Amino acid sequence: AQRVTQPEKLLSVFKGAPVELKCNYSYSGSPELFWYVQYSRQRLQLLLRHISRESIKGFTADLNKGETSFHLKKPFAQEEDSAMYYCALTLSGNTPLVFGKGTRLSVIA
Amino acid sequence: KAGVTQTPRYLIKTRGQQVTLSCSPISGHRSVSWYQQTPGQGLQFLFEYFSETQRNKGNFPGRFSGRQFSNSRSEMNVSTLELGDSALYLCASGRDGFGNEQFFGPGTRLTVL
Repeated sequence: AQRVTQPEKLLSVFKGAPVELKCNYSYSGSPELFWYVQYSRQRLQLLLRHISRESIKGFTADLNKGETSFHLKKPFAQEEDSAMYYCALTLSGNTPLVFGKGTRLSVIA
Repeated sequence: KAGVTQTPRYLIKTRGQQVTLSCSPISGHRSVSWYQQTPGQGLQFLFEYFSETQRNKGNFPGRFSGRQFSNSRSEMNVSTLELGDSALYLCASGRDGFGNEQFFGPGTRLTVL
């Protein structure tokens, strides 16, 4: 079965420091990968998807098929980035999303 | 446009009872999926409905069931509640399939005593 692993439950960084949230997946094909984010007292929402190759709120994520990873990066963390981040994949548009267990990012002023 | 709505927001039930949760998707979205979120297991997929048909099903016992109506609103039902069913149940809607952005509701917090 497909699996998404986020090795860090909690990641604390200082404001202005670089951030990298790790995501590894187990699937040998070509999945579609996403990062979803949940800010305090808000709903889970899409942050970015690998297929669009865009930067959202300064975050980028590169799909590395060789390492089966989709790490989320931001060069300079802001306090408003503090949230719960979930990596997710779907094998095709019609197969359900498989979520990692999430990483809580805490940006310290 | 209005977001995904879920009712009720909070429920307290006792073991053995049954419960029905409701989800109204964003207008125009035909796909509705349900997830169970717990601290230990994270987000786990329950099932997805598309145009009133169950299109995908997760690995949950038959006590968990759902349906979708012609207006795309969806309900999920859990019968013979167990303590382990205590969780946040999230509903998400999408235009078509999981490759498109999923829009999540605020969830229903179910507590089983």
